[in-house]
Amino acid sequence: AQSVTQLGSHVSVSEGALVLLRCNYSSSVPPYLFWYVQYPNQGLQLLLKYTSAATLVKGINGFEAEFKKSETSFHLTKPSAHMSDAAEYFCAVSASPFSGGYNKLIFGAGTRLAVHP
Amino acid sequence: EAGVAQSPRYKIIEKRQSVAFWCNPISGHATLYWYQQILGQGPKLLIQFQNNGVVDDSQLPKDRFSAERLKGVDSTLKIQPAKLEDSAVYLCASRPTPGAGKNYEQYFGPGTRLTVT
Repeated sequence: AQSVTQLGSHVSVSEGALVLLRCNYSSSVPPYLFWYVQYPNQGLQLLLKYTSAATLVKGINGFEAEFKKSETSFHLTKPSAHMSDAAEYFCAVSASPFSGGYNKLIFGAGTRLAVHP
Repeated sequence: EAGVAQSPRYKIIEKRQSVAFWCNPISGHATLYWYQQILGQGPKLLIQFQNNGVVDDSQLPKDRFSAERLKGVDSTLKIQPAKLEDSAVYLCASRPTPGAGKNYEQYFGPGTRLTVT
């Protein structure tokens, strides 16, 4: 079974400050991990993904995340927030395709990021 | 390449009425997913197709929800009769065939926002 917990449903930062969005996962098989961003009235856009290669993953728009197996975490960071980063962010887990199954994504509840001047 | 298309974008119906949503995945994508996203929650998988076959519908309320993908391309999701708790955004996603050079990424459409009154 797999699950995702995102700590903090709302995070507020100042423009230029560090962004840290927390994600912890549970998985009985080797996981693939994803961060998606959702802007108002839009679908989900992939920011980055971990697929068992490098543990530090760089994505679009300056975001990165580090897979820490010992902590079962995949936190999302960005050194300097921009106003345009305000959105909802979702962490998701799926099973590695080599463990069988069809890669169902299990999502966390989401974290709404607000960026203020 | 064109993205995942969904229609309509918005729908308002009264409870006990029926409604249908349409999704056209990215050309060549064998796997198609329907997710339900209730306000304040992450998306939850309703049904997953591999070509025109269902591979996971464990969380689909089959007494009122149905979905089909007859020719292995576009898909429709139907609710009959609708309940108030069905108010949500319905997201369609598609994924290329594993091994086709894509890293198992799901591509999402803009979603259909359903309001049941």
